[in-house]
Amino acid sequence: DAEITQSPRHKITETGRQVTLACHQTWNHNNMFWYRQDLGHGLRLIHYSYGVQDTNKGEVSDGYSVSRSNTEDLPLTLESAASSQTSVYFCASSGYTTGELFFGEGSRLTVL
Amino acid sequence: GQNIDQPTEMTATEGAIVQINCTYQTSGFNGLFWYQQHAGEAPTFLSYNVLDGLEEKGRFSSFLSRSKGYSYLLLKELQMKDSASYLCAVKGTNAGKSTFGDGTTLTVKP
Repeated sequence: DAEITQSPRHKITETGRQVTLACHQTWNHNNMFWYRQDLGHGLRLIHYSYGVQDTNKGEVSDGYSVSRSNTEDLPLTLESAASSQTSVYFCASSGYTTGELFFGEGSRLTVL
Repeated sequence: GQNIDQPTEMTATEGAIVQINCTYQTSGFNGLFWYQQHAGEAPTFLSYNVLDGLEEKGRFSSFLSRSKGYSYLLLKELQMKDSASYLCAVKGTNAGKSTFGDGTTLTVKP
């Protein structure tokens, strides 16, 4: 079965360190997205990609970057982690029909 | 930009019916989604509306009025497992980028 997986599922890091969260999907979807979710809030879009070599900034992109070198993967990098980036991060992908999102299990990041 | 509003919390009784409302003001509209998210888990797709009217899928139904910027999710015959957050999301472009409301936490009591 097709799926979307994230790693690591849990990570604790220190302020100022670089962190990369991996996202891999086997749906063969062109569209991939990174969202963050904070307690009591909905999902806020960080970055998204509509295909290989395409990346776009979302509403909360400061301090984050992504790259898309193939269809399956969209890694999210925090260049210099800050405590404000402590959150749960969800990767998602969508196809061309309705555009419904298929989510990974989430990565819980704590920045101390 | 996008502005999406839904109630923060709702409580209902097992076996009852509950309606969760969502209002939106968006610069572009190409459909509205409802997702369910249990605590500690990822959101999962429930419904999609692009035209006005009611879409029924088992115990769950979703309604859309584009002229009013309004949608609701109707849950019938509530079960304890329906306790979850329900997220309203608007798709602004055909490519699938969605903006989410803050979610409604539904608690179902015996």
